[in-house]
Amino acid sequence: DAGVIQSPRHEVTEMGQEVTLRCKPISGHDYLFWYRQTMMRGLELLIYFNNNVPIDDSGMPEDRFSAKMPNASFSTLKIQPSEPRDSAVYFCASSPTQAGGTYNEQFFGPGTRLTVL
Amino acid sequence: AQTVTQSQPEMSVQEAETVTLSCTYDTSESNYYLFWYKQPPSRQMILVIRQEAYKQQNATENRFSVNFQKAAKSFSLKISDSQLGDTAMYFCAFMSFYNQGGKLIFGQGTELSVKP
Repeated sequence: DAGVIQSPRHEVTEMGQEVTLRCKPISGHDYLFWYRQTMMRGLELLIYFNNNVPIDDSGMPEDRFSAKMPNASFSTLKIQPSEPRDSAVYFCASSPTQAGGTYNEQFFGPGTRLTVL
Repeated sequence: AQTVTQSQPEMSVQEAETVTLSCTYDTSESNYYLFWYKQPPSRQMILVIRQEAYKQQNATENRFSVNFQKAAKSFSLKISDSQLGDTAMYFCAFMSFYNQGGKLIFGQGTELSVKP
């Protein structure tokens, strides 16, 4: 299994530009999560989907951030316009459905390091 | 709301020695899961060990073990026979049993350095 795939691995852009981060979850996983990691705030959940439907987007910092999951194998996180304070590592993770009361392990992608100048 | 606190921003240990990383959490729930994740310089998040709150027995994975004190809401990680490859950031995380989505709440992390 290829694991969770994220692209690009590194992104450098200028303030005001649109940024799109991409994620391909593990096949068969029906939960997808977007996390952001910064020195100041640590790792925080931005949004998660179940069966392509957004379930909780309370962690999305502001309207400049949007996420979509058009199908089971692809998700995007878009920032428009980007600002220097958006600089962070963005992780995508996926997990299978919780079954029989067992937890559903989240498998993380390698992350995208975003730098906004 | 649940919170996770790691009070040790940095720690160091000599190779082959034992080190314990601390974690406390706050929740009103009785059933939940706790995890330790490792993040080496490669940035990859790696699950080290997990603990189900309804299990009294402490989880163990090879050189990694936990001390789970439910009443005290404490969940420490012990690494025995530390190896250079254990150098990484370690995150404690909480997951509600009742949250179908499995949302993870992370602590701030402890940076562990293993010295030769």
